[in-house]
This record gives sequence, C-alpha cells and structure tokens, in this order.
Amino acid sequence: KQEVTQIPAALSVPEGENLVLNCSFTDSAIYNLQWFRQDPGKGLTSLLLIQSSQREQTSGRLNASLDKSSGRSTLYIAASQPGDSATYLCAASSWGKFQFGAGTQVVVTP
Amino acid sequence: EAGVAQSPRYKIIEKRQSVAFWCNPISGHATLYWYQQILGQGPKLLIQFQNNGVVDDSQLPKDRFSAERLKGVDSTLKIQPAKLEDSAVYLCASSLGGGQVVLTFGAGSRLTVL
Repeated sequence: KQEVTQIPAALSVPEGENLVLNCSFTDSAIYNLQWFRQDPGKGLTSLLLIQSSQREQTSGRLNASLDKSSGRSTLYIAASQPGDSATYLCAASSWGKFQFGAGTQVVVTP
Repeated sequence: EAGVAQSPRYKIIEKRQSVAFWCNPISGHATLYWYQQILGQGPKLLIQFQNNGVVDDSQLPKDRFSAERLKGVDSTLKIQPAKLEDSAVYLCASSLGGGQVVLTFGAGSRLTVL
C-alpha cells in the first residue's frame, strides 16, 4: 500500500527566502505525482503535475522534481511572498488512485 | 470551464442525524472522487466512480455512508446516522479518467457533528 509522507509538518520563513517542501512515497510504481495548495477553508488547487517519465516540472516561481528511485519529490518556491502562505500537499497516483500526504503548512512572514 | 461544484458549503448537525452532500463535476469528466479530510490530515479517499460505476469504495464506512452517481454525472454522498468523528471536510474531485489523471477539486463541504 502506498504511503506518502511530508516533512516538516509546518514551516515559517521570512519573505524573499526560497521554500523547499519535501514529499516521500513508499511505492515507486507511480503514474504521476501532483502538488496542491490548500488555503484555509478552501478546496485543493493543483499547482504542478509530474508524469512518471519526467524528472521535473516548472511553472513561474514553482519547480517540482521527481526521483522515483528514491521515492522523493521536492517542490521549490523561489522568492517566497506572504501570499504563498498556505498548506501544500502532494499526492502520488497509481492506476487512477491518489494517496495524499498530510501536507506542510507554510507561513511566509513579511 | 466551470469548476467542480459542491453544496452545501457548511452543515452543522446533531449526532445520529443524517446529512447529504452534492457534487457536480466538470463537464465530461468520467471519474469522480469523494474524499474525507479531517483537520490536520491529508484527504482520504472514500469512494471513486468511473462514469456511474464504483471503482473503489474500500474505505467507505458502508454501515453509515452511501454514495451514488446516477447517469454518470453528479453525485450525492450521504451519512446516516452521523457520528462525532464524521466532523470533517468532504471534498469532491473529478478527472477525465483513463490516462488523464489531473485531479480538480471542489471547494468542499464542511460538516460539524455536535
């Protein structure tokens, strides 16, 4: 059974610093890995999707990498802003089923 | 395109009462998911539909939870009778299905059981 872990559970950084968020999964036979953002009281918004054949995916200040052999994905957010404060979740997909991590709660202080 | 619609956004009930949540996925999305998210945890899959058939309901507490997706479009999730531990956000998501597995979520329905 796939297990997804996100460490740390919470992170606080000053504005302008780069953010590094980690996601580990136990079963490397994944189809893709998706990163989401969740604001308080809201649903999940998809940020990036990395297919299993890809090593990384970029969108603006966001960059996500995938290393299936080590069971890890990393989300990098460059030059963080207070508006980046949210909970970030990763989900590993196998055969159309998604297993989520518990998320990393990020606070970016002005 | 319109997103995934869910209602109600908030619901407060007493334990042992019943509640129903509704979801309308993105048009053309064959796969529909219901997730339960307890505060501080990641979403947990309750049930997955492919069109109007159930693909996975292994984590659905079938003694109290039921779900249906008539005509392969919108879906209803029901809880009867509710327990205190059912307090959570119920998230509906959809995807095109097949090889396209990008999940799109609705805003969620927050349930408080007193």
